[in-house]
Amino acid sequence: DIVMTQSPDSLAVSLGERATINCESSRTLLSGSNNRNYLSWYQHRPGQPPKLLISWASTRESGVPDRFSGSGSGTDFTLTISSLQAEDVAVYYCLQYHSSPVTFGGGTKVEIK
Amino acid sequence: EVQLVESGGGLVQPGGSLRLSCAGSGFTFSSHWMTWVRQAPGRGLEWVANMNQDGSQTEYVGSVEGRFTISRDNAKRSLFLQMDGLRVEDTAVYYCAKGPGYLIDHWGQGTLVTVSS
Repeated sequence: DIVMTQSPDSLAVSLGERATINCESSRTLLSGSNNRNYLSWYQHRPGQPPKLLISWASTRESGVPDRFSGSGSGTDFTLTISSLQAEDVAVYYCLQYHSSPVTFGGGTKVEIK
Repeated sequence: EVQLVESGGGLVQPGGSLRLSCAGSGFTFSSHWMTWVRQAPGRGLEWVANMNQDGSQTEYVGSVEGRFTISRDNAKRSLFLQMDGLRVEDTAVYYCAKGPGYLIDHWGQGTLVTVSS
């Protein structure tokens, strides 16, 4: 199974400041056949279902604010919130969908400092 | 608008059974892989099982293999999870989810399963 390691476990950021979340996979998520990284990011607010923010490592979903961006390739990926807003308080997860079983990172809790 | 509505959760004793259902609408149900994901109290998300469009391919996380069975009825736009031999550690909110392939792009609100004596 591919192991997804997220860091940090939690972080506190001031409003308007940048938040950076990392995700490392135990094997490459880059497909040689289509040159795409099979990595997605989700936002999970309390009492709500998770929400897809980013797919294919860097493709923002429709309606997701442009302060959210994804980067990386191969085994190392990053989710960046460029200017933290109050509504961004949540737990964020990465997911690899390159191989079965699909596996999630452990989650990163983002709070306001 | 895509909607996924789970039902069937509740309290069950260890060793018991429960059947979860998920009704899908707002998309072509028969064209999508469907997935169950769970979140135990205070824990992260865990993929449980998935099924391809026509039900010919199923996959399970190792901890539920042989105890849980995923199925679907495309005519009724419904996904199911039959859970037998339930254990205390199966206590979780269970989410129904859809996606193109293994990617998950929409989630239901979830249904709580509590396994306790």
